[in-house]
Amino acid sequence: QVQLVESGGGVVQPGRSLRLSCAASGFTFSSYGMHWVRQAPGKGLEWVAVIWYDGSNKYYADSVKGRFTISRDNSKNTLYLQMNSLRAEDTAVYYCARGIYCSSTSCSYGGDFDLWGRGTLVTVSS
Amino acid sequence: DVVMTQSPLSLPVTLGQPASISCRSSQSLVYSDGNTYLNWFQQRPGQSPRRLIYKVSNRDSGVPDRFSGSGSGTDFTLKISRVEAEDVGVYYCMQGTHWPLTWTFGQGTKVEIK
Repeated sequence: QVQLVESGGGVVQPGRSLRLSCAASGFTFSSYGMHWVRQAPGKGLEWVAVIWYDGSNKYYADSVKGRFTISRDNSKNTLYLQMNSLRAEDTAVYYCARGIYCSSTSCSYGGDFDLWGRGTLVTVSS
Repeated sequence: DVVMTQSPLSLPVTLGQPASISCRSSQSLVYSDGNTYLNWFQQRPGQSPRRLIYKVSNRDSGVPDRFSGSGSGTDFTLKISRVEAEDVGVYYCMQGTHWPLTWTFGQGTKVEIK
């Protein structure tokens, strides 16, 4: 079954850290880039970060740059988001989403976001 | 930064009637390879987002053909030919042209039944 399952959310105090995980199954994880997208309560979607299929490139939204780190372990089919110096405004449901597919010779641009997890809620509060 | 502006933000529709959502970008979404990376997503209440349309007008597998996407450059439209009860939710456009700097979502349009 092709799916993404996030975990690691919870309640954390401002300034503290949290690490989210996204377990992938049913597809060749190591051939796909991966994104994190978040949604504050009652608000819209905000792209957070992306990592290339091989981990060679990582990009972040300005709102999290310098505080969040995206990484992956292709041997474990798992994506991570390390969140440091958390703020109240980071409170949101965090989704992982599949990125573009890359073979050994080329990448299929435009195929991002075709698969999403159910999300994990992060609440930053004292 | 690219700004995506949707209208309307709220769309009450009668069952069986058509619906249309507009999405405008602050910059052209035509990429250097000639493609336009504009997606549409549906988020039903309490669910994760689901991609409906990619590259302006390509329907994802399993998406009913009452959904269609069109547009070019900076102006795009999602149309539902005949709204059904299961179509209730929030619809987002998203640009993926100006990567890797960012992927940008519109504010969302809430579709509800009158």
